[in-house]
Amino acid sequence: EVQLVQSGAEVKAPGESLKISCKASGYSFTTYWIGWVRQMPGTGLEWMGIIYPGDSDTRYSPSFQGQVTISADKSISTAYLQWSSLKVSDTAMYFCARRYTTSSGYCFDSWGQGTLVTVSS
Amino acid sequence: QSVLTQPPSVSGAPGQRVTISCTGSSSNIGAGYDVHWYQQLPGTAPKLLIYSNNNRPSGVPDRFSGSKSGTSASLAITGLQAEDEADYYCQSYDSSLSASYVFGAGTKVTVL
Repeated sequence: EVQLVQSGAEVKAPGESLKISCKASGYSFTTYWIGWVRQMPGTGLEWMGIIYPGDSDTRYSPSFQGQVTISADKSISTAYLQWSSLKVSDTAMYFCARRYTTSSGYCFDSWGQGTLVTVSS
Repeated sequence: QSVLTQPPSVSGAPGQRVTISCTGSSSNIGAGYDVHWYQQLPGTAPKLLIYSNNNRPSGVPDRFSGSKSGTSASLAITGLQAEDEADYYCQSYDSSLSASYVFGAGTKVTVL
C-alpha cells in the first residue's frame, strides 16, 4: 500500500526557518515524482513544486520559485519542503502527493495527511 | 485566480444528480491534457476521485463519473448521498506556465 506520512504541525515566528517532511513507503521512491501543494485557510489547492527523487530534478511553480526549497533524501525515502525565512502569509496546510502519469498528463494519486504550518508573532 | 474555472457551489437533495463544470483553455484542457478530479472531505487530504477524464480508481463508487469535451470537463454525482458533501477540485496540466499542474478553485457540494 502506498503511503505518504508527513511531519507534524508547526508553529513558528516570522523570519524563522522551517523544514517539513514527507516519508514515502509501499512503492519505489526513486521512480515517481513527488509534488507539494499549498492550501491556505478556507481556499483551494495550489501546486508549489515537484521533485524526482531519483536524480533530484526539481521544478517550481513561478509563484513559489525562490520562496521555498524542495529536496529529497532517497536513502530514507523522504521528501522535504523548506523555508529560510517564514512570513505570516505562509500560514497554510501543506500536502505532499505522488505524481502518476496518465495517457495524456499527470495526476496526484496518493496524498500525505498534510502538515499545518502556522506563522505568527 | 485559478487557471481552471469551477462554480463555487452546487447543491442537491439526496438521490438527485449534480454536475460540476471545469473550464480551461487551449493551453491545458483544450490542448488535450487529461482532467482529474479530487474529493476533499472536511478536515482531510484530497483524494483522487476521477483520473484521465472518466476513470475511477479502485474503491470509488460508480455514482461518480467524469467527461471532457473541448476546453471543459464535468464531474457528475448521481444518487447524491450525505457522505458526498465535500469540496471537489479539477486538475490538469498546463504547457504555458512553466509546465504547471493547475487546479480549479474548488466546488462545495452541499446535500440538502
